[in-house]
Amino acid sequence: EAQVTQNPRYLITVTGKKLTVTCSQNMNHEYMSWYRQDPGLGLRQIYYSMNVEVTDKGDVPEGYKVSRKEKRNFPLILESPSPNQTSLYFCASSSLSSGNTIYFGEGSWLTVV
Amino acid sequence: SQQGEEDPQALSIQEGENATMNCSYKTSINNLQWYRQNSGRGLVHLILIRSNEREKHSGRLRVTLDTSKKSSSLLITASRAADTASYFCATTGNTPLVFGKGTRLSVIA
Repeated sequence: EAQVTQNPRYLITVTGKKLTVTCSQNMNHEYMSWYRQDPGLGLRQIYYSMNVEVTDKGDVPEGYKVSRKEKRNFPLILESPSPNQTSLYFCASSSLSSGNTIYFGEGSWLTVV
Repeated sequence: SQQGEEDPQALSIQEGENATMNCSYKTSINNLQWYRQNSGRGLVHLILIRSNEREKHSGRLRVTLDTSKKSSSLLITASRAADTASYFCATTGNTPLVFGKGTRLSVIA
């Protein structure tokens, strides 16, 4: 079954404590991306990756890091989380062939206190 | 670089009625896609319309695209309570998807 899996699904953490949200896809997609969703702001892209070892900033990259060492994985790293990073995070992946239909993970609820 | 803008932001209708949502965008596109999101869940792809298409159907969904006006509409016919969700349009140009802020649809039984 085609899947984008992200973990953890729910996390409460404290300011400054580094955390990583993992994302894995089993569709051999070249493109992967992270979004955050906040009330009234829709989905905003944090970082994206067009292929292994290729990453680019999205609209709201500040405070986040990513890596793409393998095609299937695209972890999101918060080196020093702050309360304004409390949000719902989505990982997504897509083939770069025609259509660009994106498959989403189920989301990770992150609360930084 | 948010591009798609849905209208209205919120829509409330009775079950059985049709629901129409609109999306406007700013730059040239390769295709436009509509997604659905149930509260707090991931987005699910509904339908894709290419820039050289004007209308597309999928079950109770009808999508139109007017590239001259840079706009698209999503029509859900004979709505059901289960259609209650947020709906997003997203466009692809030379880079992958850019999402709008969504229309929240409430279908009242």
